[in-house]
Amino acid sequence: DTGVSQDPRHKITKRGQNVTFRCDPISEHNRLYWYRQTLGQGPEFLTYFQNEAQLEKSRLLSDRFSAERPKGSFSTLEIQRTEQGDSAMYLCASSLVGAVGDTQYFGPGTRLTVL
Amino acid sequence: QKEVEQNSGPLSVPEGAIASLNCTYSDRGSQSFFWYRQYSGKSPELIMFIYSNGDKEDGRFTAQLNKASQYVSLLIRDSQPSDSATYLCAVRTSGAGSYQLTFGKGTKLSVIP
Repeated sequence: DTGVSQDPRHKITKRGQNVTFRCDPISEHNRLYWYRQTLGQGPEFLTYFQNEAQLEKSRLLSDRFSAERPKGSFSTLEIQRTEQGDSAMYLCASSLVGAVGDTQYFGPGTRLTVL
Repeated sequence: QKEVEQNSGPLSVPEGAIASLNCTYSDRGSQSFFWYRQYSGKSPELIMFIYSNGDKEDGRFTAQLNKASQYVSLLIRDSQPSDSATYLCAVRTSGAGSYQLTFGKGTKLSVIP
C-alpha cells in the first residue's frame, strides 16, 4: 500500500518562471487536497478535488495558481510568474469519501525556493 | 476568520513524563479534530482524530475534546526522545461540502533524555 507521492521533492526557480508540481494520491482515495506551509506556520488550505471536480478554492489561490485533476487520479499544481513569496512547502493530501473521520494523509511535500 | 490556536512552545519534558499539548478553536460548528506530528523538514503525519466529546486513547496517545469550551488536547504518556517534533492541531471547519482543514501553528515538543 503506497502512500501519497509528490514530485519533485525540491524545486529551485528564478522569479518570474512557471513551475508545476505533481501529486499522486493513495490509489483508492477520491479526495485530493493541496496545502501550502511556510516556516513556523501550519499548513494552509489551497484547494481540493473530489474525483476530477475542483470543489473548493481558498482566497490564497490567486490567479497565478491553477490546479487540475483531469482523470480523477493524479493532480498538478501550477504556479505562473513565481514570486519570492511563493517560496514554501507545497503539500498534497488525500482521503477516502465515507472513511471514518475522512482523514487526510499527506505526501512528502515539494519544497519550492524562488530566487 | 476561523482560527486554531496553539502554544508554540517549545515544551520541554523529561523522558518518561506526560506531555500535554493544547489547542483552542474559534468555529463553534467544527466537527472533527485531528492531531498531526511533524518532524523538522518532513510532512505532517496523522496521530489520531476525535469528533465526540470526551477522551479517545490510542496507545501512548490520548486526545481529549470539549466542544463547549472549544478545546482539544493531546496527552503523550511515557514520552520518548523520538516524540520530539512539532504537533499540529487541525480542525475540519463547518459548512456544507467543506472538507478543508484549518491548522494551528503547532507546538514544538522536546523530550529530554
